Amino acid sequence: ELKVEQNPLFLSMQEGKNYTIYCNYSTTSDRLYWYRQDPGKSLESLFVLLSNGAVKQEGRLMASLDTKARLSTLHITAAVHDLSATYFCAVGNAGGTSYGKLTFGQGTILTVHP
Amino acid sequence: KAGVTQTPRYLIKTRGQQVTLSCSPISGHRSVSWYQQTPGQGLQFLFEYFSETQRNKGNFPGRFSGRQFSNSRSEMNVSTLELGDSALYLCASRPGEDTQYFGPGTRLTVL
Repeated sequence: ELKVEQNPLFLSMQEGKNYTIYCNYSTTSDRLYWYRQDPGKSLESLFVLLSNGAVKQEGRLMASLDTKARLSTLHITAAVHDLSATYFCAVGNAGGTSYGKLTFGQGTILTVHP
Repeated sequence: KAGVTQTPRYLIKTRGQQVTLSCSPISGHRSVSWYQQTPGQGLQFLFEYFSETQRNKGNFPGRFSGRQFSNSRSEMNVSTLELGDSALYLCASRPGEDTQYFGPGTRLTVL
């Protein structure tokens, strides 16, 4: 059974600091996604990582993928309050099942304070 | 392009009743997936439909069912509701092998 584990689950950051969220998964997959969810809202797509060594950046967020280690990271640079949200990683097409079936991590609740 | 739409947005039911939730995917997207989100279990996959056929099913009891119509719109049904079915139900659509785009969700409360 595929397991997707994120850590930390709770992250309290000061504005201006850097930090990394880790996502480990247990089965071979060719798609790794990062989503953001604000309280009471739906999921917003941030990144899709397709291959080993893939790196994508958008603003203060940078995601990377190491398929050999089955590890993805979401790095936050110089955090600002607007980044406060819950971040999920998700694995798609694990074991060649389907791109329509995502297995999510538990989510990391990020709070950025002054 | 309009995003994924879900109706209704909020629903209150009592135990034993049944409920039908609706999802309209982004125009041109033929794949629709459904997820349940609860504080205890997180985000869990329910099922996926493509061209009116169920492709995958998650680990949920038979009380949870779904279907997809020829216009790609999808419905999911939960019969004999239990308190534990209270959740945010999210629908997502995708164009082929690309990212899934999520709708706003239907928040179901079972009393």
